[in-house]
Amino acid sequence: DIQMTQSPSSLSASVGDRVTITCRASQGISNNLAWFQQRPGKAPKSLIYAASSLQSGVPSKFSGSGSGTDFTLTISSLQPEDFATYYCQQYNSFPLTFGGGTTVEV
Amino acid sequence: QIQLVQSGADVKKPGASVRVSCQTSGYTFSNYALSWVRQAPGQGLEWMGWISAYNDDTNYAPKLRDRFTMTTDTSTNTAYMDLRGLRSDDTAVYYCARQGLGGQWLVLDYWGQGTLVTVSS
Repeated sequence: DIQMTQSPSSLSASVGDRVTITCRASQGISNNLAWFQQRPGKAPKSLIYAASSLQSGVPSKFSGSGSGTDFTLTISSLQPEDFATYYCQQYNSFPLTFGGGTTVEV
Repeated sequence: QIQLVQSGADVKKPGASVRVSCQTSGYTFSNYALSWVRQAPGQGLEWMGWISAYNDDTNYAPKLRDRFTMTTDTSTNTAYMDLRGLRSDDTAVYYCARQGLGGQWLVLDYWGQGTLVTVSS
């Protein structure tokens, strides 16, 4: 199985901050990587696929980059609704696997 | 709009079985595949498997293969998951998620609201 490692596991930030989350795959996955946002008590929401493509309706303050084994998610200007947990997920091979999550806290 | 509506919370005893349904609307059900993903309390996300609503092709996570079955009903646009031999560590919120098309067929783009399954004696 491909292991996905996110860092940090949590971070503290303020409204207006620029935040970057890192995701590393245990082997190369090309650009077959997605990012999800999960607010407490809610289902995950798809933000980005193919490492850098924004899902329809997702604001452009979210951006993704990377290929191979190293990926990043950047939120350009944090708003109150962005405080949540973020997960990366590889879909290069089965079983699909998720990172452990990064919680963005006030 | 695209919706995936799951069945309600359930409580089961160890060793029992559970069925969770995922009724879809707003898109052509048979054109897409669905995945099931679970999340234990306070934990991360675990992919369980996917099923094609077109031809019932499946792929199961190895650790669940012996106890887990996915099915679809194209007459009602509904997907089902069955988990047998329940253990306490199966306590989790179970999600269905639609997959994309073409080159992004493994992208989980729309999710159900989740179903809490509690396993307790």
